Amino acid sequence: QVQLVESGGGVVQPGRSLRLSCAASGFTFSSYAIHWVRQAPGKGLEWVAVISYIGSNKYYADSVKGRFTISRDNSKNTLFLQMNSLRAEDTAVYYCAKENEPEAGRSEIDYWGQGTLVTVSS
Amino acid sequence: QSVLTQPPSVSAAPGQKVTISCSGSSSNIGNNYVSWYHQLPGTAPKLLIYDNNKRPSGIPDRFSGSKSGTSATLGITGLQTGDEADYYCGTWDSSLSAVVFGGGTKLTVL
Repeated sequence: QVQLVESGGGVVQPGRSLRLSCAASGFTFSSYAIHWVRQAPGKGLEWVAVISYIGSNKYYADSVKGRFTISRDNSKNTLFLQMNSLRAEDTAVYYCAKENEPEAGRSEIDYWGQGTLVTVSS
Repeated sequence: QSVLTQPPSVSAAPGQKVTISCSGSSSNIGNNYVSWYHQLPGTAPKLLIYDNNKRPSGIPDRFSGSKSGTSATLGITGLQTGDEADYYCGTWDSSLSAVVFGGGTKLTVL
């Protein structure tokens, strides 16, 4: 069965960096676009970024553009999110989520990981 | 402020029917498929409806979806207490090149 397991969350000071990982299994990782979606405490879902199946296309939310970088290693079935210049408003549970197509925006997000909590606080 | 607009909350009695609306624009709902997700407290979202009105395997036919123009609707019949959750609509926005979600609707089964 499809499994997406995020890791790398924790408490970090404003202005610092953090790298999240998402280990995938149960499907052909290299054939699908993968997203990061976050949810601040008590708030709704906010899309963060997506990367196409071979990493050739990447899209970002305006709120993270220039600070966050999405990448993937298909040889290790792993997705990454490098987060720089973190702000208090980046505090959220970060989910990796699989799209049902190779390219972004063509299909639904059909599976979600359990999330990893990032807290930005001094 | 979310790009897609949902009511913050809806409620109905067990066994009744409820609908949740999702309003957008031509750059998102008007020209792309809509998905619906539900999120039980403390858990990850789960796909409920895709391609406007299709159900993944394992989702009962009590759940239905529809789309008309720049709006979409989720319907739930035969409400159960286990349906209490947050419900989100989502789609691709072709102008933003981004996934957009509604702000979420909290369903209470009284």
